[in-house]
Amino acid sequence: GAVVSQHPSRVICKSGTSVKIECRSLDFQATTMFWYRQFPKQSLMLMATSNEGSKATYEQGVEKDKFLINHASLTLSTLTVTSAHPEDSSFYICSANVLGTQYFGPGTRLTVL
Amino acid sequence: QKEVEQNSGPLSVPEGAIASLNCTYSDRGSQSFFWYRQYSGKSPELIMSIYSNGDKEDGRFTAQLNKASQYVSLLIRDSQPSDSATYLCAIKLANQAGTALIFGKGTTLSVSS
Repeated sequence: GAVVSQHPSRVICKSGTSVKIECRSLDFQATTMFWYRQFPKQSLMLMATSNEGSKATYEQGVEKDKFLINHASLTLSTLTVTSAHPEDSSFYICSANVLGTQYFGPGTRLTVL
Repeated sequence: QKEVEQNSGPLSVPEGAIASLNCTYSDRGSQSFFWYRQYSGKSPELIMSIYSNGDKEDGRFTAQLNKASQYVSLLIRDSQPSDSATYLCAIKLANQAGTALIFGKGTTLSVSS
């Protein structure tokens, strides 16, 4: 199946700092990628749809100035959590569609102290 | 509001038994249906996809779809302890590549040896 990678897998940062998470499609090109967030014992919640070469589409309630998304190439989308706070601590997962099936990256565990 | 409902469980079955996981959805326009398995601390992995009414079998897994009742289920035959995980039901409202999945909260399955 298609492979989606994420980096880093785990990050711990201080409150107020910014964190960048990379999502790469390794063996296919993805014009669209999706960013999800999952809090403990909750389901995956779609944050935004990342579109190559254009602005991301954010879901209602997600601050676009706080969660900056850049999809500069067909294989890379980045999510930057700016001025992170403890409430941003979560599991961030990206995904991409391949022939109608959505494949997920391994996720990034963010802990903000 | 597009919703996907699942019983959170836990669903406990003995090894070798059949586990039955259920999911209902609210939007009659839903086109595609998926079951993902998620182990603790990991990202979801696709088990089954189903697009038309009826049953679809893949090894020990059978997905069942009834669009009239807005109901999709997953049967796991000969359940194994390694099947213990959270099972996420997901729907897709349209078949375009840029359409994200909507997830239920997941059902936790515990298979005892």
